[in-house]
Amino acid sequence: NAGVTQTPKFRILKIGQSMTLQCTQDMNHNYMYWYRQDPGMGLKLIYYSVGAGITDKGEVPNGYNVSRSTTEDFPLRLELAAPSQTSVYFCASSYGTGGSLHFGNGTRLTVT
Amino acid sequence: GQSLEQPSEVTAVEGAIVQINCTYQTSGFYGLSWYQQHDGGAPTFLSYNGLDGLEETGRFSSFLSRSDSYGYLLLQELQMKDSASYFCAVRDQGQAGTALIFGKGTTLSVSS
Repeated sequence: NAGVTQTPKFRILKIGQSMTLQCTQDMNHNYMYWYRQDPGMGLKLIYYSVGAGITDKGEVPNGYNVSRSTTEDFPLRLELAAPSQTSVYFCASSYGTGGSLHFGNGTRLTVT
Repeated sequence: GQSLEQPSEVTAVEGAIVQINCTYQTSGFYGLSWYQQHDGGAPTFLSYNGLDGLEETGRFSSFLSRSDSYGYLLLQELQMKDSASYFCAVRDQGQAGTALIFGKGTTLSVSS
């Protein structure tokens, strides 16, 4: 049971570079989410998706983009990386709104 | 929008009982959830309250009072492994659907 898989685990970017954080789940969950967590802080919602082709902004969407072409995959795109985007990024999925969230192990991103 | 308030830190000794409070403000209420996160790890689901009252799962219990916009997580017979961060969360209604919004977390330190 793979659950939610995130790649890469770690990444260092230079200011202005771009990258895509990958997230895939094998539980056939319709809902998927991206959160960021700064040191000692809570999780902030970046974007979420309620199904293939449907996405919506969360609390902190600026500087990020998402797409959801399949039920399984929900990649997060960072354009023009900035030091403020240094964080741990968690992807999660759930079966509808009543289900608990299943989290991936996170991607630790440093922008220098 | 949503807001959640919980204490930033709680300390206790092994075998003790600790209560972590959470107050929330929401435009629509879809239940209160609790998640545990060990240092460096992914958050994991602990409990969910959709209706008023107490939900018990082993050593952990969670309580909700919708009229008071208040809930708490009760941890009994504390063990060293319970040292972690605990987050309360509520669902926020967006344009596409609902997504979980987290509090800033309570760091629980259990000593021997």
